[in-house]
Formats: sequence, structure tokens, C-alpha cells
Amino acid sequence: AQRVTQPEKLLSVFKGAPVELKCNYSYSGSPELFWYVQYSRQRLQLLLRHISRESIKGFTADLNKGETSFHLKKPFAQEEDSAMYYCALSGLNNNDMRFGAGTRLTVKP
Amino acid sequence: KAGVTQTPRYLIKTRGQQVTLSCSPISGHRSVSWYQQTPGQGLQFLFEYFSETQRNKGNFPGRFSGRQFSNSRSEMNVSTLELGDSALYLCATRQDSNYGYTFGSGTRLTVV
Repeated sequence: AQRVTQPEKLLSVFKGAPVELKCNYSYSGSPELFWYVQYSRQRLQLLLRHISRESIKGFTADLNKGETSFHLKKPFAQEEDSAMYYCALSGLNNNDMRFGAGTRLTVKP
Repeated sequence: KAGVTQTPRYLIKTRGQQVTLSCSPISGHRSVSWYQQTPGQGLQFLFEYFSETQRNKGNFPGRFSGRQFSNSRSEMNVSTLELGDSALYLCATRQDSNYGYTFGSGTRLTVV
């Protein structure tokens, strides 16, 4: 069974501070991990995929298979980063994607 | 290119009725998944279709069903509606496994 855990429902930081949104997973096979973001009144949208090893809007995430984690990080948070963030897992040969419960990030001025 | 289109945007139904929701994917996206989103349960996977075949199914009762057409458009149906079916139903499409999803805006279903 695949499971995604986001331990923090709410996270609040000040503008310019570093931010880390935690994501842990359990999956017996080879995982594909994603971060999605939902800004106020907008659709849920893909932020980044671990396989791409890219930085989007200053965010990065590294897959740590030893700790089964895929934490999302940004060194200097901006107010426009305030949104709901979801971590998601899909298996390499498994076609359903499971989402964590989400973390609401608030960046205060 | 056009995004994922879900219709209708809003629906109000009575308990016991049935409802059909529609999703038109981005051109070239053959995988269509459906999710139920509620404040208490978050995003719950319903099912996924690829090339008109259901490839995966979540833990929902048989009242929830779906299908996909040859043009990749998908519909989901909920029969014998219950109050607890009130939710935002999201459609998500992608080219295939290992790609991220593109989401629709959702259909807000209210059962009264």
C-alpha cells in the first residue's frame, strides 16, 4: 500500500525566512514523487517532480529514500508562496496517485 | 492549448438521485483520474482510466463508476446519492504514468 504523510496541517513563516514543508511516504516499489500547489481560488497545479530534479519558483525537493522523505524547501519565502501544498506519490508501474492531506503555508509580511 | 474542462461547475441533487460528471482532458492526455476532495478527507482517489480501460480503482462503493470514451473524454457517475457524497470532484489528466497531473477546476456537488 502507498501512503503519503504531511505532518503539518498549517505552517506559518515570515517573509524572507526559510521554509520546509515535510512529506514522508511509504511504498514498497520505486516511487515517483510530486509536489502540487493550490493558490487561493486557483486550480491545483503541479509544482515539481522529483524525477526532473528542477527548481520551480525557488522551491526544491530531494528524494531521500533512506528516510522515505520528499521535503519541499525554499531558502527565502515570499508572500505569494502562501498556498496549500500537497505531496503526492505514484508508483513507477502503478497508475494511481495518492496525495497527502496537505499543508497550508502562510507567509507573513 | 485548452486546459482540462469539467462540467458542470456546480450541481445540487437530492438524496437518492444519480449524477453524471464530465471531464475533457488536454489534447494528447490519455490518462484520466478522478478524485473526491472534502475538507475532512482531503483528496481521495476514485479511479483512473487509460485508453477506455479502468486501470485502478480506489476504495469507494460501487455506486461510484466511470468510463472513458475513444476521444479520452471521461464521465463519472454516482448513483443513489447520499448526503456524504457532497464534495468537490476533481478530474486530473496526464499523458501517462510518471507525468504530473493537470487538474480541472472541479465540479462542486451538493446533495440535499
